[in-house]
This record gives sequence, C-alpha cells and structure tokens, in this order.
Amino acid sequence: KNEVEQSPQNLTAQEGEFITINCSYSVGISALHWLQQHPGGGIVSLFMLSSGKKKHGRLIATINIQEKHSSLHITASHPRDSAVYICAVAMYSGGGADGLTFGKGTHLIIQP
Amino acid sequence: NAGVTQTPKFRVLKTGQSMTLLCAQDMNHEYMYWYRQDPGMGLRLIHYSVGEGTTAKGEVPDGYNVSRLKKQNFLLGLESAAPSQTSVYFCASRPTGLAVYEQYFGPGTRLTVT
Repeated sequence: KNEVEQSPQNLTAQEGEFITINCSYSVGISALHWLQQHPGGGIVSLFMLSSGKKKHGRLIATINIQEKHSSLHITASHPRDSAVYICAVAMYSGGGADGLTFGKGTHLIIQP
Repeated sequence: NAGVTQTPKFRVLKTGQSMTLLCAQDMNHEYMYWYRQDPGMGLRLIHYSVGEGTTAKGEVPDGYNVSRLKKQNFLLGLESAAPSQTSVYFCASRPTGLAVYEQYFGPGTRLTVT
C-alpha cells in the first residue's frame, strides 16, 4: 500500500507570499494528482503529472520520480487561495482502474 | 454538461436504517469510484467500477454495497447504518484507457448516523 505524506498539515501566510506544499510517497506510481478543496467541500483537480513540471496561472507543480516527491507552489498568494490542498497518487497497474491513494491534506489560510 | 452529480447532498440516519446514495455522470466515463472523507484521515476508496455491471472492493468496503446497472449511475448502499459511517461521501469518475486520466469529483454527500 502506498503511503502518502503531506507537509505542512497547516499553513497560514500573508497575501503575496510564495507558498510551497510538499508531498512524498513510498511506492512508485503512475501519476500524482494535486487537488483543491474549498470550504463547502467540492474537490477540484488542479494538476495531474507523471514527470517534470506543470504550470497553470500562479500554480506550479513539480515531481521528482526518483525521490518520490512532489511540490505544489503558489506564487503571489491571495486570500481566495485559502483551501485544503490534497496530494493523491495513482497506481494504474495492468490497465486497471484502481482508485487514488490520498494524503491527509494541507490546510492553507492566506490572510489579507 | 452537469459533470458528476450526487443525491442527496445531506442526510441524517438513525442507527440501523438503510439508504442509497446516487452518483450520476454525463461524460460517458467507464470508471466510477466511491470515496469517504473523515477528519484527519484523508479520502479512502470504498468501492469502484470499471464498467456497467461490474464492481470491485476498495480499501474500506465493509458495511457498504454498490451497483452499476447503468453506465452513467453508480449507487452506494448502506443496509444497516452505523455511527462509524458518519462521513462525507464523494463519487468520482474518469475515462478508460492505459493513459492516466484525471478524476472528476461530485460535490459530496454529508451523512450523519445517530
């Protein structure tokens, strides 16, 4: 079973700060997902990556397959970025449809 | 497209009662999933389906049953609810294929068992 660890668990920062959330996993994977969950509960997929780096607006996600580690960065953070950020890994072995294994999430608060 | 929808959004049950949660998707996805989210635990896979008429157990299947009679619907049943099943339940779907696709999540169902 893959163990997914996120750090920090909680993070409070000031508007404009550069934010980094880390994720590490124990077993090789097919892909890693970064998800966002706002108060009220809806879950939105931010990134899915299996190598390298992806950027979308102020969000950047990187993954190092050899080190089994991924980071999510937020540049010029804004109060609307306040949410829980969840790392999840996929082991799509044998063409199967196994679900995701999730980290416990990082609760981010950006203060004005 | 509505994406992934869940019915109901909220429900309170008494111990021993039964209920069915409905997940529907209009994206013609083959794969569908039921997860539960508990404080401090992260989301965990209950059951999943790789196509109409098929289901499989996930990490925490005990106390739940599922059915996939139609491709677009995935039902999660609780035959005799227990307080330990108080949770937020999320349904998700994704297309099939060897490539790794993102999952699309429903809005969640908040269930309280008293």
